[in-house]
Amino acid sequence: DAGVIQSPRHEVTEMGQEVTLRCKPISGHNSLFWYRQTMMRGLELLIYFNNNVPIDDSGMPEDRFSAKMPNASFSTLKIQPSEPRDSAVYFCASSSYRQGRGNQPQHFGDGTRLSIL
Amino acid sequence: GQQLNQSPQSMFIQEGEDVSMNCTSSSIFNTWLWYKQDPGEGPVLLIALYKAGELTSNGRLTAQFGITRKDSFLNISASIPSDVGIYFCAGRSLGAGGTSYGKLTFGQGTILTVHP
Repeated sequence: DAGVIQSPRHEVTEMGQEVTLRCKPISGHNSLFWYRQTMMRGLELLIYFNNNVPIDDSGMPEDRFSAKMPNASFSTLKIQPSEPRDSAVYFCASSSYRQGRGNQPQHFGDGTRLSIL
Repeated sequence: GQQLNQSPQSMFIQEGEDVSMNCTSSSIFNTWLWYKQDPGEGPVLLIALYKAGELTSNGRLTAQFGITRKDSFLNISASIPSDVGIYFCAGRSLGAGGTSYGKLTFGQGTILTVHP
């Protein structure tokens, strides 16, 4: 079974450039989560969607960050303009949620390692 | 907001030893999950716990959902070199309106090193 697929796996770019990270959730999952992982702050939830609708974006650090989920099989996380402090590993995770049946555990992609110079 | 305290932060053990790590929460959770992260990869689910008092095993791994619903532990028996990695606990609670859509709160992680 295909897991959560993220691209690119690595991204190195100069500050000020726009960065777009991509995620394909597991087929049939209807909840999607974007996380950022750093040594200092650990795993931080940035935003999550249910049925393609953003539910909670309170973890998004600044207006430079935006996320979209145009359909059930694709999501993007965009940083514009990027800054060196955005350097981190960004993970996408998906799970299945059904009203009255609860949540299944989240499954993670392998992440995008982002370096902003 | 919810906070999870995971301990220890790191462990250095000899191959064959048993390992124990735990998480405590400032609030009640209705689900506890344990993940392992290898270098360059995303966290992988090890064990999921859904009921207070539940004790679940997955091979050499055993985890328990605390009776108070505010804590959980993970034990690894007879450790081997491939157990090396970062172990995360994660908790999920019912949010406003009775659902959290699967949102998790993560512990800070336990870095496990196993010496052959």
